[in-house]
Amino acid sequence: DAGITQSPRHKVTETGTPVTLRCHQTENHRYMYWYRQDPGHGLRLIHYSYGVKDTDKGEVSDGYSVSRSKTEDFLLTLESATSSQTSVYFCAISAGPGGTEAFFGQGTRLTVV
Amino acid sequence: AQTVTQSQPEMSVQEAETVTLSCTYDTSENNYYLFWYKQPPSRQMILVIRQEAYKQQNATENRFSVNFQKAAKSFSLKISDSQLGDTAMYFCAFMKHVGGTSYGKLTFGQGTILTVHP
Repeated sequence: DAGITQSPRHKVTETGTPVTLRCHQTENHRYMYWYRQDPGHGLRLIHYSYGVKDTDKGEVSDGYSVSRSKTEDFLLTLESATSSQTSVYFCAISAGPGGTEAFFGQGTRLTVV
Repeated sequence: AQTVTQSQPEMSVQEAETVTLSCTYDTSENNYYLFWYKQPPSRQMILVIRQEAYKQQNATENRFSVNFQKAAKSFSLKISDSQLGDTAMYFCAFMKHVGGTSYGKLTFGQGTILTVHP
């Protein structure tokens, strides 16, 4: 599992509240990613990081922010959760030959009511 | 931008039979990688097989093999001797050649649910 841990695994929150999801890795990988999974869309990239304090937007970044103050932790924040952000969120790292293989955390199921 | 299309939302196969999942993609890149990921009911994303675009030889991993047609931008997955444990969602994914600003980002297809029947 490339030493990736996501927390929490499940969360139910109310519309308008802030939510932070945490991704922790133990193997000092440089690149980290947040994806969301929705039926009919597969996984889509929200934000990614290419080093400490180096982050950039992905395909579906509106309504999300990220931070990476340490190599091992990559945080995803929903500033004001909406029902459209109900989804399964996956953290990933790049490893393998030339960093061309992605390994994923277990996922976080977030429900916004 | 890249797009990946899986046109089969659901497939089913009998145990021990062979099944092929389809994937097409669109890109203007010449150097890239293609992947198949498996997602069982546990939700874990598991890498099944990986193909480098510059390699003409199709990748194989035990019962899993691909048919990579670069000119047609097609990348199908063949599962031989299907087993009950192969029941899962399968995702096709594209990654630009890592380097410069690609950063190993993946573009996924919509997924195909495969059910293996006993």
